[in-house]
Amino acid sequence: DTEVTQTPKHLVMGMTNKKSLKCEQHMGHRAMYWYKQKAKKPPELMFVYSYEKLSINESVPSRFSPECPNSSLLNLHLHALQPEDSALYLCASSQVYRMVYTGELFFGEGSRLTVL
Amino acid sequence: TQLLEQSPQFLSIQEGENLTVYCNSSSVFSSLQWYRQEPGEGPVLLVTVVTGGEVKKLKRLTFQFGDARKDSSLHITAAQPGDTGLYLCAGDGEAETSGSRLTFGEGTQLTVNP
Repeated sequence: DTEVTQTPKHLVMGMTNKKSLKCEQHMGHRAMYWYKQKAKKPPELMFVYSYEKLSINESVPSRFSPECPNSSLLNLHLHALQPEDSALYLCASSQVYRMVYTGELFFGEGSRLTVL
Repeated sequence: TQLLEQSPQFLSIQEGENLTVYCNSSSVFSSLQWYRQEPGEGPVLLVTVVTGGEVKKLKRLTFQFGDARKDSSLHITAAQPGDTGLYLCAGDGEAETSGSRLTFGEGTQLTVNP
């Protein structure tokens, strides 16, 4: 069983909808990530939170809005998405010590998003 | 920009065969991870290699890190259908914060037929 939990597992939304993806981890990791993955391709980094602060935004469109309410939770708010945003959205966490990241990612099972 | 070239991209073999997947770069990595991803799941960390020349074994899987820490290989002995999945290598650059932005290879889609 993965120690990173993502909900929902599947989400279908229209282009005018507002929805959120949620992620939770209880491993005490202080770095949390959002990745986007298309079929048979590697994950693409979207956002990194370190100690609950946004440290990396890989030029992601503003229709994706991340939020880190506390050290265990990570949300991704979705609004006015496009069909090309359909993908598997993966949350991950890792340990970080004084800004030194271990590089070992623990992924959730992902949220499969379909935008109609 | 660091790049990781992974090969082959696709591999379809029969149960019991051996295989090797390669991950190559012109850049030096402080560590390299291998992940396996099954359909509908997130990637699962298999191993991390850190020292140049390091060899790690995980049952039928053998991982090697090149002496110069620029390349790595994954060898599977007597493949089984349960080994089917997308294998990803990912490199961690030498800067302290590089672990927050891993470089992923393109992946190897392995299918082991019974």
